[in-house]
Amino acid sequence: SQELEQSPQSLIVQEGKNLTINCTSSKTLYGLYWYKQKYGEGLIFLMMLQKGGEEKSHEKITAKLDEKKQQSSLHITASQPSHAGIYLCGADAGSEKLVFGKGTKLTVNP
Amino acid sequence: ETGVTQSPTHLIKTRGQQVTLRCSSQSGHNTVSWYQQALGQGPQFIFQYYREEENGRGNFPPRFSGLQFPNYSSELNVNALELDDSALYLCASSAHIVYGYTFGSGTRLTVV
Repeated sequence: SQELEQSPQSLIVQEGKNLTINCTSSKTLYGLYWYKQKYGEGLIFLMMLQKGGEEKSHEKITAKLDEKKQQSSLHITASQPSHAGIYLCGADAGSEKLVFGKGTKLTVNP
Repeated sequence: ETGVTQSPTHLIKTRGQQVTLRCSSQSGHNTVSWYQQALGQGPQFIFQYYREEENGRGNFPPRFSGLQFPNYSSELNVNALELDDSALYLCASSAHIVYGYTFGSGTRLTVV
């Protein structure tokens, strides 16, 4: 079965700093989703990547998919307190089922 | 604003009891999936329904069951509750996986 490993598990940054979260898959990635979750709440869709080399940006968040490395990265530029939360990567594991990593907890200090 | 609504938001049940969680999906979203998220973990796939039929199941026992209705609503039923069933239960719907999934805010179930 497919497994996703996220790193780091947690991250504390000062407001204004850049940061990167990585997601590595045990199998080939056919579709990779990034979600953000506030503690104990639902998942907010950020981006979906489907092709190797694909890169998408939304506001200050950029996600890339490296299909050969079976890896995706999420980069936040000039972080703000509103970026704080848990970032989850999810992979299309077939049959429209998503497999998720354990998440990366981001804290942004003002 | 999410197009997926879950109820109730919080629930406390006693071990051995049965519980029904509800989800209202966006119109046109024929696929609904349920996930269980334990504290500090990523969501785990329970099962999926497509046009009112179960269309895939994760590694969960038969006491976890579901229903999907023609009006895009669905239910997750759990019988004989165990302490380990305490978790956040998330409903997600989609018109097709290529469009991504929309998640609800979840139901926090506590089994005591």
